[in-house]
Parts: sequence; C-alpha cells; structure tokens
Amino acid sequence: ILNVEQSPQSLHVQEGDSTNFTCSFPSSNFYALHWYRWETAKSPEALFVMTLNGDEKKKGRISATLNTKEGYSYLYIKGSQPEDSATYLCASAGFQKLVFGTGTRLLVSP
Amino acid sequence: GAVVSQHPSWVICKSGTSVKIECRSLDFQATTMFWYRQFPKQSLMLMATSNEGSKATYEQGVEKDKFLINHASLTLSTLTVTSAHPEDSSFYICSASHRSDTQYFGPGTRLTVL
Repeated sequence: ILNVEQSPQSLHVQEGDSTNFTCSFPSSNFYALHWYRWETAKSPEALFVMTLNGDEKKKGRISATLNTKEGYSYLYIKGSQPEDSATYLCASAGFQKLVFGTGTRLLVSP
Repeated sequence: GAVVSQHPSWVICKSGTSVKIECRSLDFQATTMFWYRQFPKQSLMLMATSNEGSKATYEQGVEKDKFLINHASLTLSTLTVTSAHPEDSSFYICSASHRSDTQYFGPGTRLTVL
C-alpha cells in the first residue's frame, strides 16, 4: 500500500514571497509522480508529471524536483501571487492508479 | 483542451434514495475514467477505474453493488450511489485519461445524504 505524505498541511505567505512544499512517497516500485493545483470550486489542474530521478520541471514561476531514490519531490513557487492560492496535491502513480497525498493549502495575501 | 465536466455539482437526497453523477470528457475521448471520493481532511481515494465498454474495476473495500459505474461511451461515465445513507455523504470526483498517464479531473460533486 502506497502512502503519500505532504507537508506542510497549510501555508500562509505574503505576495512576493517564495515558498516550497514537500511530497514524500515510497521509493520502491516508483513509476511517476504527479503534481496538481486545485483551486476551490474548480477542477484539479495537472502541473507536472515526473518520472526520472533528478528531474526538474518548470511552468512559469512554479518548478518541481524529484528524488526517486529517497522518495521525495519538492514544489517551488517563486514570487508568490494571490492567484497562486490553492491546494497543491501530489500523487504517486502505479499502473493507471494515482495515490494522493492530503495536499498543501497555500494562501497568498496581497 | 482536456476539459472534464461533472454534474451535478452538489446534491442533497434522502436516505434510501439513489443518486446518479455524470462525468463527461468534453473535448477528448476518454479511454479510461476514474472515480474518487474525498472525506473531510482526507486525501482523494480511488474508488474504481473503468474502461469504455468494460466492467469497472473496484478498489478494495468499495462495494460494487452500491456504487454502480457505467462507462458506455468514450465521453461519458456515470456513478450511481444506490440506497444512499448518511455515511455515503462525501465529495465525489471523476477524472479521465486518453492513453496517457495524465488524468484530467472534473470539478467534483458534493453529496449530502439526510
């Protein structure tokens, strides 16, 4: 049984701050790691799919890194903006299955 | 692209009634659709996986006779919660994929059973 954990549970930063959160997952039988951004009352939006150890992906001010040997991924947001406020989910992927963490809720104040 | 809709967005029903939730892929053909539920302060938990034209595969602990899943076309899957009870109150969300690992999610349905 996969156990995916995210920390912190919630985070409150000021506009312009850079921030990061952690996703840890079992490193055995690793297949892929997904990051989603989920705004209230909207659909979770796919950010990244990461598969290779040492992978680093970037989308605008958001980037993510992956360490499959030790079982963690970091998500970074540079210069946070109020519109970045959302819950960020990570999920470890097996064949056709995603196992989600509970998410990190980010609030960015103007 | 890759938009998934879900209907209704919320529903309140009496105990013992059945509720149907629809999940549609609007701009792509979904070879596989997934149903998840989320209880308060918990993670999204996979309930079942369905491939178009095939019977759904249910996760351990999910009653297939209670949660009926139909994936009759490449753009529509339905989840019917039969004889709903208050403990079935939860947030139900679907996702769809087309021959890739990325799942595209609907906005979810909040079910409250009185």
